[in-house]
Amino acid sequence: DTEVTQTPKHLVMGMTNKKSLKCEQHMGHRAMYWYKQKAKKPPELMFVYSYEKLSINESVPSRFSPECPNSSLLNLHLHALQPEDSALYLCASSRPPVGELFFGEGSRLTVL
Amino acid sequence: GQQLNQSPQSMFIQEGEDVSMNCTSSSIFNTWLWYKQDPGEGPVLLIALYKAGELTSNGRLTAQFGITRKDSFLNISASIPSDVGIYFCAGRYQAGTALIFGKGTTLSVSS
Repeated sequence: DTEVTQTPKHLVMGMTNKKSLKCEQHMGHRAMYWYKQKAKKPPELMFVYSYEKLSINESVPSRFSPECPNSSLLNLHLHALQPEDSALYLCASSRPPVGELFFGEGSRLTVL
Repeated sequence: GQQLNQSPQSMFIQEGEDVSMNCTSSSIFNTWLWYKQDPGEGPVLLIALYKAGELTSNGRLTAQFGITRKDSFLNISASIPSDVGIYFCAGRYQAGTALIFGKGTTLSVSS
């Protein structure tokens, strides 16, 4: 099994809601990533976890809160989001520090 | 910061034609990756390159790591309708740093 699995595939939330995006990988990778992608744009890096520790935070607003419970799981907790946060959120994993990134199918988030 | 210039931005071709796209950087990279993304899906890794001059094929796709280490190209031969999508190059200039993505090449294929 070489997949990166993301749930939910689609999420609609209001600006006062709290929700979470989940990601799971079974490739034995020890680096996991969250990216945000707007339509027809490249993915933008948000967070990197390496060996379950947060190693990169690309100045992401605190309304996005990542969590890495173990080496296979990555969560992104969402609270008080804005409509401009609507995007495709991609999870990826790799073998640190130089491995290729493997992406999940993404979670399409719409903030009303 | 590091930037990647990917060209062309878009291509409209006939089925059966060959396609070429490339990426250039202002700095030396030690890794080049090529991804394809279909609408509503995540990017799928096509080819990974790790050595200057390396030429790697994946079916009808061929990619090369430029000798100067500042560029890479992707060729698609005998295009088919399912080649439609956005192709992204991505590079890393040293181990442990984040991947940098090009802005993408949107490929349209008419049958």
